Amino acid sequence: EVQLVQSGAEVKKPGESLKISCKGSGYKSTSYWIGWVRQMPGKGLEWMGIIYPDDSHTRYSPSFQGQVTISADKAISSAYLQWSSLKASDTAMYYCARGTSGSYHHAFDIWGQGTMVTVSS
Amino acid sequence: DNVLTQSPGTLSLSPGERATLSCRASQSVSSFYLAWYQHKPGQAPRLLIYGAFARATGIPDRFSGSGSGTDFTLTISSLEPEDFAVYYCHQYDTSPRTFGQGTKVEIK
Repeated sequence: EVQLVQSGAEVKKPGESLKISCKGSGYKSTSYWIGWVRQMPGKGLEWMGIIYPDDSHTRYSPSFQGQVTISADKAISSAYLQWSSLKASDTAMYYCARGTSGSYHHAFDIWGQGTMVTVSS
Repeated sequence: DNVLTQSPGTLSLSPGERATLSCRASQSVSSFYLAWYQHKPGQAPRLLIYGAFARATGIPDRFSGSGSGTDFTLTISSLEPEDFAVYYCHQYDTSPRTFGQGTKVEIK
């Protein structure tokens, strides 16, 4: 079965760092883009950025450039989303999702279950 | 950015009725790089349509996509109880990729 499994919910304080993960299985993970999507409470989906695990080529939305870092470890079929200094406004559900192909132009066909990040003092 | 505007914001319909959801792009979406997703509370989004009109694996044929350029439509021919959800369009033509703000299909 093709699936993406994300790390568990996190509760952090403002200023803390965090790295959440997304592990793929059931497919050749180096051949598909992985994207990250944010959903703030009560809001819609926002595209954050994508990474190609085979060479770690990464593209960010300008809205998230410099705010987060997307990385991957192809040896363990995992992608990551990290913050160096969290803000309360980072409170959201974060989804990873697999691109429909190795093409740069792709929809997302397989989604992780989501990781809820809560930032509160 | 290519801004996607979905309408209506909320669609109140009964099971068995036809749903027509619109997605308008601020710039032309080339090569039909437009997808639709269904999102229910507590679940991950689900890909319904990609390439503007191709159904994803396992998606029932009551879901259909159409359109080109700046105007795209998702049609649900006859609503089933499990179809009440939020629907998002998504363009993957230009960077940054963008999502529409969503259309909620609710039970009337």
